Amino acid sequence: AQKITQTQPGMFVQEKEAVTLDCTYDTSDPSYGLFWYKQPSSGEMIFLIYQGSYDQQNATEGRYSLNFQKARKSANLVISASQLGDSAMYFCAMREGGGGSYIPTFGRGTSLIVHP
Amino acid sequence: GAVVSQHPSRVICKSGTSVKIECRSLDFQATTMFWYRQFPKKSLMLMATSNEGSKATYEQGVEKDKFLINHASLTLSTLTVTSAHPEDSSFYICSASSSGQYEQYFGPGTRLTVT
Repeated sequence: AQKITQTQPGMFVQEKEAVTLDCTYDTSDPSYGLFWYKQPSSGEMIFLIYQGSYDQQNATEGRYSLNFQKARKSANLVISASQLGDSAMYFCAMREGGGGSYIPTFGRGTSLIVHP
Repeated sequence: GAVVSQHPSRVICKSGTSVKIECRSLDFQATTMFWYRQFPKKSLMLMATSNEGSKATYEQGVEKDKFLINHASLTLSTLTVTSAHPEDSSFYICSASSSGQYEQYFGPGTRLTVT
């Protein structure tokens, strides 16, 4: 079974508007971390935001915020005021803490295109 | 954030030759390094996990004799693609992590082309 599910293969947004990229996860481990990465066409993986399973508040980093709904096991990324440079692939990832393995799992990614 | 370098960024080699890719953590001690392979427009596929000073743990379906991983120090891990074939052409990315930390820091990736 998929541990990280990103149901949107592609998303389009108008410049300056907000966009939400969906991510649901599956784990029975109470300790885990959730991540979002941006991968532009150059290929580098750029860390955007992190949410720990025990964090009480939703993580925010500048224009990025993570809508963490633990009961629903969802960790959607919200990008506010989209910019043309936000066009890229976005990956949701999880690292589980069971047994100290911390093996990372990635979703299939969402391709975001920002229109002027 | 922490910096991870990867070298070379791009390599073209002939079929049958071996290629070594280096992954270095520049400003922290990486007790664990991960090696990924990524096909065009696909997600990252974890190949192996290496912990400093011990043998790498390979994911199912990854040939350990073909993809040799060495993690000899807390700042360096290497991936050697032995007897490369055109089907090994891909984008290879490493990431590094410290003990007990969830965060992993990625290198910029290596694009391997086998002719």
